[in-house]
Amino acid sequence: EVQLVESGGGLVQPGGSLRLSCAASGFTFSSYWMSWVRQAPGKGLEWVANIKQDGSEKYYVDSVKGRFTISRDNAKNSLYLQMNSLRAEDTAVYYCARYGDHGYYFDYWGQGTPVTVSS
Amino acid sequence: EVVMTQSPATLSVSPGERATLSCRASQGVNSNLAWYQQKPGQAPRLLIYGASTRATGIPARFSGSGSGTEFTLTISSLQSEDFAVYYCQQYNSWPPYTFGQGTKLEIK
Repeated sequence: EVQLVESGGGLVQPGGSLRLSCAASGFTFSSYWMSWVRQAPGKGLEWVANIKQDGSEKYYVDSVKGRFTISRDNAKNSLYLQMNSLRAEDTAVYYCARYGDHGYYFDYWGQGTPVTVSS
Repeated sequence: EVVMTQSPATLSVSPGERATLSCRASQGVNSNLAWYQQKPGQAPRLLIYGASTRATGIPARFSGSGSGTEFTLTISSLQSEDFAVYYCQQYNSWPPYTFGQGTKLEIK
């Protein structure tokens, strides 16, 4: 059974940093692109970043470029999101998601970890 | 960036009836379109990919159609568990992958 379990969310002040983790199991993690998707309170879904199987390619939504860094450790079956210079508008539930076998849709999602940026 | 527009924002339908949700792309996305269902407090769940292929375990009452810029998700006979928010997502042109703003399907 595919499982994605996020952790690391919490309350942080504006300008602060946070590192999210996603532990993957039930599939060959190193064979899949992975992604982070977020959802602000009461809002829709927003793709944040993705990373290729070997970490050689990474892409970001414009609003987080230069502040967020996605990474992975295939030996640990883990995905990460380092978030720096956090802003109030980064407040959201952050989901780890796996890409499907037939395209760049998201076939499995974690339960999400909440991030609140507030003073 | 491809902008995805869903309509209506809210749809009120009675159990047992058919629901039709629409999604429009600002430019053609071929058949690279997915639909998700999200219930309160839960993560999204993949329903449809490739515009019309049901994901594993998705009941046959869910169907998707369309290509290019116009897409439809149809739920043939609504069950109580189907009342939720539905999102479309294009994955033809990226980054970024873009989602619609969602359609809330509520009980009439």
